[in-house]
Formats: sequence, structure tokens, C-alpha cells
Amino acid sequence: GNSVTQMEGPVTLSEEAFLTINCTYTATGYPSLFWYVQYPGEGLQLLLKATKADDKGSNKGFEATYRKETTSFHLEKGSVQVSDSAVYFCALRSNDYKLSFGAGTTVTVRA
Amino acid sequence: GAGVSQSPRYKVAKRGQDVALRCDPISGHVSLFWYQQALGQGPEFLTYFQNEAQLDKSGLPSDRFFAERPEGSVSTLKIQRTQQEDSAVYLCASSLGASGFERSYNEQFFGPGTRLTVL
Repeated sequence: GNSVTQMEGPVTLSEEAFLTINCTYTATGYPSLFWYVQYPGEGLQLLLKATKADDKGSNKGFEATYRKETTSFHLEKGSVQVSDSAVYFCALRSNDYKLSFGAGTTVTVRA
Repeated sequence: GAGVSQSPRYKVAKRGQDVALRCDPISGHVSLFWYQQALGQGPEFLTYFQNEAQLDKSGLPSDRFFAERPEGSVSTLKIQRTQQEDSAVYLCASSLGASGFERSYNEQFFGPGTRLTVL
């Protein structure tokens, strides 16, 4: 079956530090890959996505590249801000609708 | 409202009680999904509707869980005889397209969730 494994948290960083959250997956076929973010007190929001191998998704300074050879979709941001404090979820969709999520990584950015 | 809404936002139930959780999807969205998110975990798929048809209920954990979307818009997730292990956040999501539609129409928009606590 499909599964997503992401780096365990919590992760605590200082402002302007570099952030990486590792994500690897197991899936049949050619899944689409996603990062969702959940800010405190809010619902899940799509952060970025990639639908085929070597695609790079980007948004709000975050990037992730779909690596089929390593079955990975690691999230990166070069300079984090306090406002980036949130829980980040890696997810895949291998059919038209069902999302499979990782366990989430809590990121706290200190001023 | 522009987004997916859910009610109630918080629900406390005594073990054995029945509960009903409501989801109002984005207007015009064909597809509707329910997910269950246990504490410290990612969301787990429960069920999928395309309009009023429930096309996939493979994620429902037991026959105590029942979902409906009778008119193809609002959906209700019902849990009968609640147990402590049912405590979780229940998320609803909707998307514009139907299964098989072009992928660009299939982004899922999530509601804020209902936090269910069973005592």
C-alpha cells in the first residue's frame, strides 16, 4: 500500500536558519506529491505540490523536488521566519482522490 | 463563506453516545472527503463522495461510522456508540473536480476540523 515517512520533530530553529524536512514515500504507479501546512488554530493548507518526477514545487520561499530515484520529496527553505512556525505534512495521491499523509513535523522558529 | 466549514468545532461525548459532525463544502465542489486525525498523527482517509454518491468508504474503521451527503452538498459523519478510541480531529475536504477529472481540478481544500473527545 501507499505510505509516507517524514522526519520526526519537533524541530526548533532560529530566524533566518535553513530548514529541511525529509520525506520519503512508497507508492504504486506515479503519485502526485504534496506538502501541507497547519498553522496554529487553522486548518490544513496546501503549501506546494509536484505531479511528476523532477518537478519542483515552490511557494512562500519553500521548495521541494520530486525525486523518483530516491522516492523522496524533501521540503526546504533557505531562511525561516517566526511566521513559519507550524506543523508540516508530506502527502501523496496515487489515484484521483485519496491522500496519504505522513505523521507531521512540528517546526518552531524562535526570534 | 469562501472555504470549507465544519460544525461543531469541538464536541465532547460520553462513551456510548451518538454524535453527528457536519461539513459544508465549498459551493459547487463535486467531491467531498472525510479524514480522521489522531493526536500527533497525520490525517487518515475515511470516505469519499462524488456528488451524493459514496464511492469509497474503505477507511471507515467500523460499522459504527456512517457518512451521508444526500443532496450532494452538505455532508454528515455520524458515529454511533462512541468509544474512547474515536477521540480525534475529523477533517472534511472538498475539491472541484470528480474522480477522473484533470488533476488541476482535484486540489483538496480542508475545513478547520471538529475535535471530538470521548470521555
